[in-house]
Amino acid sequence: ILNVEQSPQSLHVQEGDSTNFTCSFPSSNFYALHWYRWETAKSPEALFVMTLNGDEKKKGRISATLNTKEGYSYLYIKGSQPEDSATYLCASSGSARQLTFGSGTQLTVLP
Amino acid sequence: EAQVTQNPRYLITVTGKKLTVTCSQNMNHEYMSWYRQDPGLGLRQIYYSMNVEVTDKGDVPEGYKVSRKEKRNFPLILESPSPNQTSLYFCASSLIRVDTGELFFGEGSRLTVL
Repeated sequence: ILNVEQSPQSLHVQEGDSTNFTCSFPSSNFYALHWYRWETAKSPEALFVMTLNGDEKKKGRISATLNTKEGYSYLYIKGSQPEDSATYLCASSGSARQLTFGSGTQLTVLP
Repeated sequence: EAQVTQNPRYLITVTGKKLTVTCSQNMNHEYMSWYRQDPGLGLRQIYYSMNVEVTDKGDVPEGYKVSRKEKRNFPLILESPSPNQTSLYFCASSLIRVDTGELFFGEGSRLTVL
């Protein structure tokens, strides 16, 4: 079982602040790193799938970077809005078959 | 609309009463998987299937069974549910594999076993 860790577990930011979270994963036998956004009472939705060391992906105000050699990924949110409030999950795969999730970072954006 | 559909969404049952949670996807995805989500823990994989008639255990398979007789359906079977299987369950699918494609999740099934 892969050990995927996310930090912080939760955080509160003011509207307009920029923030970032960390996902750490085993760097050996790496296949892919996923980020998902999970709003309360909904199902998780994919943000990014990243496979290459040095990958950077962006979707609107949200971006992510990947370092496979040291085993970490950062998710950045620029100018947080209340609608960004959600739990952000990362998941790592050490094969084509399985994805192991971290326990998530719960973000609350205060108006 | 492309989607993963789970049923039931909510269920309260008693220990030992067999139940099945259905999962169906309309995207012609080859890969399907079941996860359970418990407070303080990440999504943990129960079983997965790479294609029809191909299923494998995930990280927490004890007490569960699955089948993949058709590409679109991947039911989760609890032969004799116990209270420690009280959880939120998600079915998910991906086009081919999880190293290249994102997962599409169903809306979740909240199960309570008394």
